[in-house]
Amino acid sequence: AQSVTQLGSHVSVSEGALVLLRCNYSSSVPPYLFWYVQYPNQGLQLLLKYTSAATLVKGINGFEAEFKKSETSFHLTKPSAHMSDAAEYFCAVSDQGSYIPTFGRGTSLIVHP
Amino acid sequence: DGGITQSPKYLFRKEGQNVTLSCEQNLNHDAMYWYRQDPGQGLRLIYYSQIVNDFQKGDIAEGYSVSREKKESFPLTVTSAQKNPTAFYLCASSITHNQPQHFGDGTRLSIL
Repeated sequence: AQSVTQLGSHVSVSEGALVLLRCNYSSSVPPYLFWYVQYPNQGLQLLLKYTSAATLVKGINGFEAEFKKSETSFHLTKPSAHMSDAAEYFCAVSDQGSYIPTFGRGTSLIVHP
Repeated sequence: DGGITQSPKYLFRKEGQNVTLSCEQNLNHDAMYWYRQDPGQGLRLIYYSQIVNDFQKGDIAEGYSVSREKKESFPLTVTSAQKNPTAFYLCASSITHNQPQHFGDGTRLSIL
């Protein structure tokens, strides 16, 4: 079964600093990969998705993620954090042909002024 | 605008009572899902449906039931058999497998 690991349940950065949220998956076959963001008391919104077209994927709000097959990773980055980026971030992985994505446990991003 | 509507936003359940959470989508998506979210545990799948009149249990289906009589609707009933129902419930849909999910804004269920 697929597993998804998000290192760090909380990540704290200063406003303007680099954001790096880590995601590793277990599948040996490149899956479909997604990052979602959740603001308090809301549902999840898609930030970006990897579907094998390009290893570097650009998303909304200045976020991007790089697919590294050799490391089975799909880390999320943003060059400069903004206060409005404070939220919960989820990595999700879907095996080819599967209707059921596997979600990581989430990383709470805290942005300090 | 297309989207997923969950209602109510907040719901309270008395002991021994069944309650039903509504989920409606106008995205014309075939697949629909129900997740339970507890602090620090991410999303756990309760039930999913790939097509009308068909649904499958997820990882934590005990104490819950669903129906899928229409493409756009996937209501979740939390039965009295679910002893710890307090959680944030999220409904999602996707057009097909391997595509991103669209989420509603959730229903927060508490015990009276």
